[in-house]
Amino acid sequence: EPEVTQTPSHQVTQMGQEVILRCVPISNHLYFYWYRQILGQKVEFLVSFYNNEISEKSEIFDDQFSVERPDGSNFTLKIRSTKLEDSAMYFCASRAYGGLGEQYFGPGTRLTVT
Amino acid sequence: AQSVTQLGSHVSVSEGALVLLRCNYSSSVPPYLFWYVQYPNQGLQLLLKYTTGATLVKGINGFEAEFKKSETSFHLTKPSAHMSDAAEYFCAVSAPTGANSKLTFGKGITLSVRP
Repeated sequence: EPEVTQTPSHQVTQMGQEVILRCVPISNHLYFYWYRQILGQKVEFLVSFYNNEISEKSEIFDDQFSVERPDGSNFTLKIRSTKLEDSAMYFCASRAYGGLGEQYFGPGTRLTVT
Repeated sequence: AQSVTQLGSHVSVSEGALVLLRCNYSSSVPPYLFWYVQYPNQGLQLLLKYTTGATLVKGINGFEAEFKKSETSFHLTKPSAHMSDAAEYFCAVSAPTGANSKLTFGKGITLSVRP
């Protein structure tokens, strides 16, 4: 069964460093998303991406964040200068065009900023 | 704007007992509603969804949920809990499918199953 994959599973970085979180969505999906879950809190939407551009972004997704689909398979989230409060689990999700709204999630990347 | 309320953070049931996890939503448009389950150290897995049509929807692992528009609810039930059901459960809402179909999640409920 096709699945969304994410790498790495756990990333530790120092405050101020850049990180890139990688996702491989399901191959025939056209909508891509990033969410995050700070420990003990709800899963929060960050950004949606369709047709090589951002469809919607939340207030969390400020200038420190960017997304890219560098090739036909990867979808990345970059944080330019990490802060302590960026420590969270980051989930990638994808959805098929015309699908009934269901998004398929990857296993997540746990980002720890020290 | 959309929001989801999941009251309580933890539900504990005995194996074989009824599971009832509550979810109430707020939406300015007809909602699409979802339940996701998260097992330890894993991602979010779709349990079931409501889009249109039949208000009682069945999902995987014996779970079902009923959309009640008048109550703005989408409670998740399972007649008989199994030890393997222990996990965190998230209710989510989105607008009808479109480019901006982000999911808005509730804070989640941890289900424990006692032997």
